[in-house]
Amino acid sequence: EVQLLESGGGLVQPGESLRLSCAASGFTFSGYALSWVRQAPGKGLEWVSFVSGSGGTTYYADSVKGRFTISRDNSKNTLDLQMNSLRAEDTAIYYCAKEGYNWNYASAFDIWGQGTMVTVSS
Amino acid sequence: QSALTQPASVSGSPGQSITISCTGTSSDIGGYNFVSWYKQLPGKAPKLMIFEVSNRPSGVSNRFSGSKSGNMASLIISGLQADDEADYYCSSFTNRSTLVFGTGTKVTVL
Repeated sequence: EVQLLESGGGLVQPGESLRLSCAASGFTFSGYALSWVRQAPGKGLEWVSFVSGSGGTTYYADSVKGRFTISRDNSKNTLDLQMNSLRAEDTAIYYCAKEGYNWNYASAFDIWGQGTMVTVSS
Repeated sequence: QSALTQPASVSGSPGQSITISCTGTSSDIGGYNFVSWYKQLPGKAPKLMIFEVSNRPSGVSNRFSGSKSGNMASLIISGLQADDEADYYCSSFTNRSTLVFGTGTKVTVL
């Protein structure tokens, strides 16, 4: 079964850092691009970041550029999101999502994890 | 990058057809055929319903169809059923190599 499982969420104070992880199983991990997508409580979806299958290409939303870093370890089938200088507006459920049909860009996510909650509050 | 514009809510009776619009610009929807649609139930992760404007993933009912004209994309749900009640989001690739989602539409089955 194809599966994504996020971890690492929690409560942090503004300005602090947090690292999210996503463990993948059931598919050839290095063959697919991945993204992080977030959803603030009661709000819509917001794409956060993309990484290609090799890890060599990354893209970021303007709202997180310079603060967040996406990376992957194809030997461990894991995807990470390093989040620095966290702000209250980063509070959201963070989903990792597998790109289904495009190898070079974030386009359509056919598999999603269950999400991990990040709360930024003093 | 501003979110794509969707109506806040759309409703219909069982058996009817409804259309959800998704309006963007020439920098996103109008420039690329990378429009997707997702269905999200409360407390659950989104589910892909349509990719590349009009393609259905395996397992998605053919009651769901998509189209695009200019800067606007549409999701059509025909033969509306009670379990179609959910939030629906569109998304599009952009000219900055990023992805933008729509504002979301709550579908209610009367």
